[in-house]
Amino acid sequence: DSGVTQTPKHLITATGQRVTLRCSPRSGDLSVYWYQQSLDQGLQFLIQYYNGEERAKGNILERFSAQQFPDLHSELNLSSLELGDSALYFCASSAGEGVDEQYFGPGTRLTVT
Amino acid sequence: EDQVTQSPEALRLQEGESSSLNCSYTVSGLRGLFWYRQDPGKGPEFLFTLYSAGEEKEKERLKATLTKKESFLHITAPKPEDSATYLCAVQAWGGGADGLTFGKGTHLIIQP
Repeated sequence: DSGVTQTPKHLITATGQRVTLRCSPRSGDLSVYWYQQSLDQGLQFLIQYYNGEERAKGNILERFSAQQFPDLHSELNLSSLELGDSALYFCASSAGEGVDEQYFGPGTRLTVT
Repeated sequence: EDQVTQSPEALRLQEGESSSLNCSYTVSGLRGLFWYRQDPGKGPEFLFTLYSAGEEKEKERLKATLTKKESFLHITAPKPEDSATYLCAVQAWGGGADGLTFGKGTHLIIQP
């Protein structure tokens, strides 16, 4: 158990809908990262938050957004969902900025029908 | 653009048969190279961080090494419980991002 929690574990929704994924980082970790894992693309970095502020963006679509709250939990919002958004979404956390290991949560499996 | 290529894509070994997994990377400036293990349907599990060429780290039957262009994950006398997908990732200097760039992984199967 990495100490990172994610809810829900599974999510099934229809095209065009909006969903919210939730992540709680390990105790004491200030950075939260979101990743998407699909069969063809592998694990891709979406976005990073550090202590409540957006730190960096990766390959995140404009239909996707995220935020980190004062208690450091984070939410990833996915809107106008398409079939191609079906994937595993992982949250990871690390102690701070810089070169330190990221610990991954169990993931949320999103299926768009 | 940072790139990570892992080989082979899949590897089947007999229990006790040692081997190595390769991770080749292209990055503007390497901050760190990471190895993770991922079981089906689970999140990646952190194994090692390597920072500079010549560095080595060990954990049980696994040993990771780093050169200026690639990293190797050596598996000595593997057991069936070592079966998993092994992921390599890099973190680069610059750009303000701490996000990792991952390879597509090596799917390792250890047969009893």
